[in-house]
Amino acid sequence: SQTIHQWPATLVQPVGSPLSLECTVEGTSNPNLYWYRQAAGRGLQLLFYSVGIGQISSEVPQNLSASRPQDRQFILSSKKLLLSDSGFYLCAQGQGVGNSPLHFGNGTRLTVT
Amino acid sequence: AQSVSQHNHHVILSEAASLELGCNYSYGGTVNLFWYVQYPGQHLQLLLKYFSGDPLVKGIKGFEAEFIKSKFSFNLRKPSVQWSDTAEYFCATTPPRGSYIPTFGRGTSLIVHP
Repeated sequence: SQTIHQWPATLVQPVGSPLSLECTVEGTSNPNLYWYRQAAGRGLQLLFYSVGIGQISSEVPQNLSASRPQDRQFILSSKKLLLSDSGFYLCAQGQGVGNSPLHFGNGTRLTVT
Repeated sequence: AQSVSQHNHHVILSEAASLELGCNYSYGGTVNLFWYVQYPGQHLQLLLKYFSGDPLVKGIKGFEAEFIKSKFSFNLRKPSVQWSDTAEYFCATTPPRGSYIPTFGRGTSLIVHP
């Protein structure tokens, strides 16, 4: 079965510092990978998705970027964090089939101070 | 573009009460529909899904949902909730073709008092 590892679980970073959140997937190959941000009362906002190595689609223009250097690795980055980047970030994987559900990691709680 | 509306943002119930959480989607064609649940401190997980067949879908822990095409709805129900059902619930949909990117509703926070 699929397992999604996200780290760190929590992170406190000062404004202007860089960010790197990592997500790795086990138990599947060539998955679709997703980064979501979850905000209270606002649901899940899709930030990036990837259908393969080096293929990244951005859904929301902002201070963040994503990369997929390996088939089962998905990285969320920022060069300079803003206060508004605080939030709960979720990595998810899917099989790229409409009736297949997503599987989520445990998330990273990011606080920018 | 698809959209998903969850009209109940916060629901508070006592144990043994019945539950119905509303979900409406905007996509006019064939859709795949999901309910996910996030228990406190845990990751989001699938509760149930519908993509074809019997419009009444049964999921884990006694939950069920009914797809009503004419109403563009996929409401989640449970006849008798338990304290352990306290969680956040998300409705989501994906189109049957294309990028298969799920669209999520805003979520409903359910608190069940013992």
